[in-house]
Amino acid sequence: DTAVSQTPKYLVTQMGNDKSIKCEQNLGHDTMYWYKQDSKKFLKIMFSYNNKELIINETVPNRFSPKSPDKAHLNLHINSLELGDSAVYFCASSHRRDTSYEQYFGPGTRLTVT
Amino acid sequence: AQSVTQLDSHVSVSEGTPVLLRCNYSSSYSPSLFWYVQHPNKGLQLLLKYTSAATLVKGINGFEAEFKKSETSFHLTKPSAHMSDAAEYFCVVRAGYQKVTFGTGTKLQVIP
Repeated sequence: DTAVSQTPKYLVTQMGNDKSIKCEQNLGHDTMYWYKQDSKKFLKIMFSYNNKELIINETVPNRFSPKSPDKAHLNLHINSLELGDSAVYFCASSHRRDTSYEQYFGPGTRLTVT
Repeated sequence: AQSVTQLDSHVSVSEGTPVLLRCNYSSSYSPSLFWYVQHPNKGLQLLLKYTSAATLVKGINGFEAEFKKSETSFHLTKPSAHMSDAAEYFCVVRAGYQKVTFGTGTKLQVIP
């Protein structure tokens, strides 16, 4: 069974479009995250949700809107896509009571904006 | 505040020789430290973690890391490199349950 899954794996779209990436975890975790990995492999946290509540919101354009319908899902919606949004987006999850703070990552979604 | 510095962006070793990937951190609190590996076009996989228990941490695939508070380091080592170790490695620091900071990554190349 896949612990953290993301769909789609690849997403190619044109500038100006709106797209969503979905994430689901079946680990029973209560905290989920979105990361962006740029072309230089640098990973930066974008958002973190705990029990459907936003707890981290880094400096990210408001074109990016996370939505957590329940603890097992954290979707990322992006409006008016720009060339600079091209990156690999990773979803991750952890359990707040896990004092090791270990995060489990999804396989990533490669977004290409043309 | 916290930060993590991976001292080498690229490391090249011959198959069968030791691997050393260096990581230094700074943190205002007692940190948790992690090493993750990312193979090409794959997600991140946890190699090992330090969470204030034993300072020498053993991970998967023969990797280990030693937490040295006096040197604020958490270097990753492996006695003998294998071709399958070629990947990107990330050192990660976390203080408090919310914030996590990734290093910029070290690309390990293994030469046959």
